[in-house]
Amino acid sequence: GAVVSQHPSWVICKSGTSVKIECRSLDFQATTMFWYRQFPKQSLMLMATSNEGSKATYEQGVEKDKFLINHASLTLSTLTVTSAHPEDSSFYICSATPAGNEKLFFGSGTQLSVL
Amino acid sequence: GENVEQHPSTLSVQEGDSAVIKCTYSDSASNYFPWYKQELGKRPQLIIDIRSNVGEKKDQRIAVTLNKTAKHFSLHITETQPEDSAVYFCAASEGGYSTLTFGKGTMLLVSP
Repeated sequence: GAVVSQHPSWVICKSGTSVKIECRSLDFQATTMFWYRQFPKQSLMLMATSNEGSKATYEQGVEKDKFLINHASLTLSTLTVTSAHPEDSSFYICSATPAGNEKLFFGSGTQLSVL
Repeated sequence: GENVEQHPSTLSVQEGDSAVIKCTYSDSASNYFPWYKQELGKRPQLIIDIRSNVGEKKDQRIAVTLNKTAKHFSLHITETQPEDSAVYFCAASEGGYSTLTFGKGTMLLVSP
């Protein structure tokens, strides 16, 4: 199956700093990538849809100035959590779909802890 | 928008028993229904999927059934093993690049 790589796998940062998470499709091109947030023992909550070469589409209630998404190439999307606070601590996970394939493949996730 | 309900939230079975997880969806336009398995701290892995033109699909010990009229689909795991213990998510979409809507997940625990 298609491989989606996500880095870092975990990060600890101080409150007020920014954190960048990378999501790469390794063996396919992805014009669309998705970013999810998952709290412990809860489901995957879609945050935004990342579109290559254009602005991301954010779900209702997700602050676009807080969670900056850049999809500069067909294989890379980044999520930057700006001015992180403890309530931003969560498991963030990206996913992508190869062209012509509706199957969704997930990155390995990033556990963010904000102190 | 689509709404996916998943039951039960937790399921405990003995090794060798069968496990069934059920989901319902609200959008009649949905035609793609994948199931994901997520082990603790790891990425969700697609284990099986079904499209609306098929009523049932089987892959070894795993099967999925779909009832379009009733708008529900189910995951069946036979001869469960301890390594089947994980959280299972159902999802629905209109296919293509439509976003998936996930159920809330079922934590399956298989006891030896």
